[in-house]
Amino acid sequence: DADVTQTPRNRITKTGKRIMLECSQTKGHDRMYWYRQDPGLGLRLIYYSFDVKDINKGEISDGYSVSRQAQAKFSLSLESAIPNQTALYFCATSDRGQAPQETQYFGPGTRLLVL
Amino acid sequence: GQQVMQIPQYQHVQEGEDFTTYCNSSTTLSNIQWYKQRPGGHPVFLIQLVKSGEVKKQKRLTFQFGEAKKNSSLHITATQTTDVGTYFCAGPQGGSEKLVFGKGTKLTVNP
Repeated sequence: DADVTQTPRNRITKTGKRIMLECSQTKGHDRMYWYRQDPGLGLRLIYYSFDVKDINKGEISDGYSVSRQAQAKFSLSLESAIPNQTALYFCATSDRGQAPQETQYFGPGTRLLVL
Repeated sequence: GQQVMQIPQYQHVQEGEDFTTYCNSSTTLSNIQWYKQRPGGHPVFLIQLVKSGEVKKQKRLTFQFGEAKKNSSLHITATQTTDVGTYFCAGPQGGSEKLVFGKGTKLTVNP
């Protein structure tokens, strides 16, 4: 969805380096999410934010941190990258209050390789 | 915690054959969503099912929600090469608004 952008699209880094992945959206949605995708493991939630002042851990938050700089921006940081954080990372947004369940709009993904 | 199990993990079919993927939840779901991820792409929302026993169709795709609202299926009739990709089901986690995704079924179609 072109309304959700992620930068960079590809990144190679070394073990121990700090790296930030950025997500921006023009959909006007309150809610933003970071997922990690590994082959055979589906999409796993890292962190989510229901509004600018609300940050919540997902199922695999260890080793990651996030910042919600504005309604439209949600960044994911790896404080000290390790090889098993090599994965495809997706940002997603949803519209609060969409009934009966919010649908999620995904960005194009960031492919991260940690050497 | 709540789990959403999806089978099979992989499915290879010849073009023109039918395909079905199944999704099972450990708890009753208020609704279920299906997403498709094309190779090299990102997940894209397909449909949402809400009612017990609900059946919805999108051209050659038929989506069903079980009577007990604990399982769902996606059936594709006469697959085409454009159907290739990974299909995910997703349901709300407990009483929250977060989604729990199944691990997906990767479909390949041989022409």
